Amino acid sequence: DTEVTQTPKHLVMGMTNKKSLKCEQHMGHRAMYWYKQKAKKPPELMFVYSYEKLSINESVPSRFSPECPNSSLLNLHLHALQPEDSALYLCASSQESGTGRLTEAFFGQGTRLTVV
Amino acid sequence: GDSVTQMEGPVTLSEEACLTINCTYTATGYPSLFWYVQYPGEGLQLLLKATKADDKGSNKGFEATYRKETTSFHLEKGSVQVSDSAVYFCALSGTGGTSYGKLTFGQGTILTVHP
Repeated sequence: DTEVTQTPKHLVMGMTNKKSLKCEQHMGHRAMYWYKQKAKKPPELMFVYSYEKLSINESVPSRFSPECPNSSLLNLHLHALQPEDSALYLCASSQESGTGRLTEAFFGQGTRLTVV
Repeated sequence: GDSVTQMEGPVTLSEEACLTINCTYTATGYPSLFWYVQYPGEGLQLLLKATKADDKGSNKGFEATYRKETTSFHLEKGSVQVSDSAVYFCALSGTGGTSYGKLTFGQGTILTVHP
């Protein structure tokens, strides 16, 4: 099973709302990621968790708050977003190699977020 | 830092034509190399990978060979189908420093295959 499951698939939220994106994997991977993808562009890394600890934050605004409750789950809490935050949010997971070099990484189907 | 350069798109082909999408990279050490495919409205799917020089990754009729001497990882398919229409991303994972735990993506190549 090489599946990364993301919910919801689509989300529309107002600028004053609070919502959460969820991601789950059962491959035993100890590294999990959040990426943001705008239309016709490659994914941009937001956060990396390694062994349930935040290891990389790519200077993401605080209105995005990641959480890793256990080794299989990853959440992204959203609050006071702006319309320009509308994008496809992708979760990914991989083995933790110890060298930082990934030998494979699997992505979920993404959550298409629209901020109104 | 690490970087990936893909051939400019979009690419439009007729069914059963040959496909080559060029990908070159800049990285220190020995990165892992990947091709991902993204169908309309979906996430990224790992198409194939290679983790050391001269490795050939293959899947669904697609192939790519890790060429360290030319720092390239070109994607090829001998006969494309309409169902291959998608966006293709070349990516690498480097070692250490600012590359740690990250995928560096090329800009993506849009492939459209006509019947």
